[in-house]
Amino acid sequence: SYVLTQPPSVSVAPGQTARLTCGGTKIGSKSVHWYQQKPGQVPVPVIHHDSGRPSGIPERFSGSTAADTATLTINRVEAGDEADYYCQVWDTADDLHSAVFGGGTRLSVL
Amino acid sequence: QVHLVESGGGLVRPGGSLRLSCAVPGSSLVDYFMGWVRQAPGKGLEFVASISHSRGANKDYGDSVRGRFTVSKDTTENSLFLQMTSLRAEDTAIYYCVRIYGHSTGYCDSWGQGTLVTVSS
Repeated sequence: SYVLTQPPSVSVAPGQTARLTCGGTKIGSKSVHWYQQKPGQVPVPVIHHDSGRPSGIPERFSGSTAADTATLTINRVEAGDEADYYCQVWDTADDLHSAVFGGGTRLSVL
Repeated sequence: QVHLVESGGGLVRPGGSLRLSCAVPGSSLVDYFMGWVRQAPGKGLEFVASISHSRGANKDYGDSVRGRFTVSKDTTENSLFLQMTSLRAEDTAIYYCVRIYGHSTGYCDSWGQGTLVTVSS
């Protein structure tokens, strides 16, 4: 089955840029979605279909994919961005329809 | 996005069964894939099950629940279900109902608030 790999943690100072990666074989050929989850809250989509931004998500959030890595970039990081971030793709191999999530990255704002 | 509401969680003993429900408004059950995603305490997100749009002919499951859990839907009741049997301690988690936008891309655009399932003796 398909595997997505995320670093467990990333730390960044306020105002700086955070780059969260998501590795997977030929992930560039798939649609990648990103979710933000703050403690005790429901996951919230922040990027869909590689680089789409849902309504209400600040322009500071952007996504990109290339070959074997997808990246969520958060510009001008704020304290309120501190959360767990999960990448996700849809595995349709062998006519299956299953969601695959990365293990998540905890973003800490120093 | 749509407002999804799960119910049916609770405490159950190992080996027991439980049925979760999710109220799905409008025509989402017919027009979209739907699914269940869970999160064990302190852990990440895990895919549990999906069911296709229209009549729900296609169903898929995560490896850890296949053969024990069954996803279904009732469009007349506007409800999505997850029947869980042979429950284990490791099934303890918050279970989220999700709407899947794009049957070829699997974007979970709507999430319920979740319902907690605790498997313990």
